[in-house]
Amino acid sequence: DQQVKQNSPSLSVQEGRISILNCDYTNSMFDYFLWYKKYPAEGPTFLISISSIKDKNEDGRFTVFLNKSAKHLSLHIVPSQPGDSAVYFCAASPSGYSTLTFGKGTMLLVSP
Amino acid sequence: DTAVSQTPKYLVTQMGNDKSIKCEQNLGHDTMYWYKQDSKKFLKIMFSYNNKELIINETVPNRFSPKSPDKAHLNLHINSLELGDSAVYFCASSLGGPQYNEQFFGPGTRLTVL
Repeated sequence: DQQVKQNSPSLSVQEGRISILNCDYTNSMFDYFLWYKKYPAEGPTFLISISSIKDKNEDGRFTVFLNKSAKHLSLHIVPSQPGDSAVYFCAASPSGYSTLTFGKGTMLLVSP
Repeated sequence: DTAVSQTPKYLVTQMGNDKSIKCEQNLGHDTMYWYKQDSKKFLKIMFSYNNKELIINETVPNRFSPKSPDKAHLNLHINSLELGDSAVYFCASSLGGPQYNEQFFGPGTRLTVL
């Protein structure tokens, strides 16, 4: 039972264009959402997060949008760069001493 | 300086053996975790420790025993290894609490059971 779903296993984008990675969740108790980036043979690294009290959070080229009614969030990267090529994991958590539930990841390939 | 480190990076062993994976964090965090990434690429929580106390155990077989000698270390010991234990194991740490869900991950340990 996947509580966090990333339905696109991969995405290819040209350098300079926008990358949009999507994530859906089913658990209404989730109120904190994170995106992690992972390069091969490395651990995931935190990218950006959003609390359920917001619908948008921006950090440089990265923006996360949250639509609570649709239980959907997305990560926008603009402009995309070849160094952004990695696997992106969406994760969600209820608040408190809790663990993260991860999606399966989306592999982003940004070509020059 | 590595924030979260794991040893070894690779581990190849025979079925039935007992092995340990070590994890150390130098971030001053009070919560540490073990995750397993299986062949389907899902990252799933196994254990969570806060201040050396077990707070989450996600129905992991009791062949897996985490040990936290202090706040900076969380080791994973696996007894009687099985083929299905082959995976990448990630250690992570965080400050814990409702405001600090950002977790910092180690580089992973790829375990192969033959």
